[in-house]
Amino acid sequence: AAGVIQSPRHLIKEKRETATLKCYPIPRHDTVYWYQQGPGQDPQFLISFYEKMQSDKGSIPDRFSAQQFSDYHSELNMSSLELGDSALYFCASGPRGSGELFFGEGSRLTVL
Amino acid sequence: LAKTTQPISMDSYEGQEVNITCSHNNIATNDYITWYQQFPSQGPRFIIQGYKTKVTNEVASLFIPADRKSSTLSLPRVSLSDTAVYYCLVGDKQRNNAGNMLTFGGGTRLMVKP
Repeated sequence: AAGVIQSPRHLIKEKRETATLKCYPIPRHDTVYWYQQGPGQDPQFLISFYEKMQSDKGSIPDRFSAQQFSDYHSELNMSSLELGDSALYFCASGPRGSGELFFGEGSRLTVL
Repeated sequence: LAKTTQPISMDSYEGQEVNITCSHNNIATNDYITWYQQFPSQGPRFIIQGYKTKVTNEVASLFIPADRKSSTLSLPRVSLSDTAVYYCLVGDKQRNNAGNMLTFGGGTRLMVKP
């Protein structure tokens, strides 16, 4: 079965640079979620989309933005990167109302 | 919003049954209880979800008492590969998965020993 696809899997950036992560949800899943997980931390909810509209907002920094496109893929844009942004970024998708999130393998961002 | 409390860590041995309890004293009427498993450097994986009494699937059982103020995830005959962090989430799944249904916090680190 198709899973959530994230790209790139690994990304290395310098401080103050910009990074973009992509997420392709499972077909027919109408909700996409973004999470950030720092070393030794729990996954932190950033933002979610339902049918291409922002649905919920968590602890997403103002330097970050996200959107969901007409083909349902989503992108997380991160600007003015800081060392503390180094983390695993997970995308998840799910059918609305199921309460079940399907996670991708994550994108590991390293900021030097 | 319902806050959850789980043990920080648990140890077990291969072949044993493991029960992880989650407290959620202020669970709301429409809230469901969902458990996830996470291995290092991997995304969380859905294990089981329930509203009341008992739910069982091929990997686990979920026991929820009548007052729903706690729940217990039961893993039968664990193996080394069950070593992971287990998260309990409580929230209203009908509200577009909003609120605590999206919050992973204070999971239980299970270590299975040979």
